[in-house]
Amino acid sequence: AQSVTQLDSQVPVFEEAPVELRCNYSSSVSVYLFWYVQYPNQGLQLLLKYLSGSTLVKGINGFEAEFNKSQTSFHLRKPSVHISDTAEYFCAVRAGNMLTFGGGTRLMVKP
Amino acid sequence: DVKVTQSSRYLVKRTGEKVFLECVQDMDHENMFWYRQDPGLGLRLIYFSYDVKMKEKGDIPEGYSVSREKKERFSLILESASTNQTSMYLCASTHSGGQYFGPGTRLTVT
Repeated sequence: AQSVTQLDSQVPVFEEAPVELRCNYSSSVSVYLFWYVQYPNQGLQLLLKYLSGSTLVKGINGFEAEFNKSQTSFHLRKPSVHISDTAEYFCAVRAGNMLTFGGGTRLMVKP
Repeated sequence: DVKVTQSSRYLVKRTGEKVFLECVQDMDHENMFWYRQDPGLGLRLIYFSYDVKMKEKGDIPEGYSVSREKKERFSLILESASTNQTSMYLCASTHSGGQYFGPGTRLTVT
């Protein structure tokens, strides 16, 4: 079985500041890693994914994440956030057909 | 673009009622999933299906059942709704390593 921990339930940040949303996972098998974003009153949208290859993955809206196998982490970063990035972000790991989600991190961007 | 649609955005039902939540995807995906989303708990898998008439229990199947008679449609059934089933329900289908989600159904059971 696998588990996902998002260490921060809320992250307040000022507009144009950098941000990092943390994600750690545990699994006894190889996994694929994902970040999803959920804007208010909407479903989840895939932000980026790591399946294999380069450990630095670039996604939509200027986000990127780095897979660190030794630390079992997949932290999400953006160098300069915008008001429109205010949303809830979910980290997820996939083993086989099963996707396991973290509890979510609410990113609140302030002007 | 992949499209996953859910029959209702908001639903209010009474305790004891039978509730049907419908999900349709238009990309011929084999795998479909039902999750519930609650604050601080993230998404928890209720059931998934990897083919027509095939289903597997997820992490929290109690109080729910599912039906997959056609490949594009995956239904979640609450046989007798209870107040602790008030939640946001999200349907998803799988393609190319990622899951595509519907907009969600916010169900309130009173």
